[in-house]
Amino acid sequence: AQSVTQLGSHVSVSEGALVLLRCNYSSSVPPYLFWYVQYPNQGLQLLLKYTSAATLVKGINGFEAEFKKSETSFHLTKPSAHMSDAAEYLCAVSDSSGGSYIPTFGRGTSLIVHP
Amino acid sequence: EADIYQTPRYLVIGTGKKITLECSQTMGHDKMYWYQQDPGMELHLIHYSYGVNSTEKGDLSSESTVSRIRTEHFPLTLESARPSHTSQYLCASSEWKGNAEAFFGQGTRLTVV
Repeated sequence: AQSVTQLGSHVSVSEGALVLLRCNYSSSVPPYLFWYVQYPNQGLQLLLKYTSAATLVKGINGFEAEFKKSETSFHLTKPSAHMSDAAEYLCAVSDSSGGSYIPTFGRGTSLIVHP
Repeated sequence: EADIYQTPRYLVIGTGKKITLECSQTMGHDKMYWYQQDPGMELHLIHYSYGVNSTEKGDLSSESTVSRIRTEHFPLTLESARPSHTSQYLCASSEWKGNAEAFFGQGTRLTVV
């Protein structure tokens, strides 16, 4: 069965600092991996996805993530945080085990950006 | 911009009432999902569908039911609402292929009093 672990329910950074949000996955078969962002009282919006092409994936708003199979990780980074990045970030995994690619989500990490 | 809509956005209803949460998408996606989201908890899959006349229960046991009579429509029904049903409900859809991302509606925040 697939699963996702997001370390840290809250991450706090200063504006302009590096953002690092951690995601580890468990999957018995090659997975597809996704990062979504959720603003208050909104649905989820896709930031980026890994689909077995390049291991370094670039997304919207300056975010990127690197797929590391040996570490079963897909951490999200951004070189310089902006106030508008404050939101909830959710990592998801999707693979063919147990059904046809149904996304499983982590608990999410709330990013707090200080002026 | 994602074309998936949920109504109502907010609902406060009394215990014992029957409710239906609506979800529609205009993208022609075969797969649709209902997730339940509580603060600090992961999104829990409660129902999903592979297409018309297909419905499956998700990982989280739920007293709700769903139907998929038309491709674009995937409503969720609670026959008798209880305070334990208070939560945010998110509907999503995706293409059939495995690397397809899910498109989400804005959610319905349900409060049962």
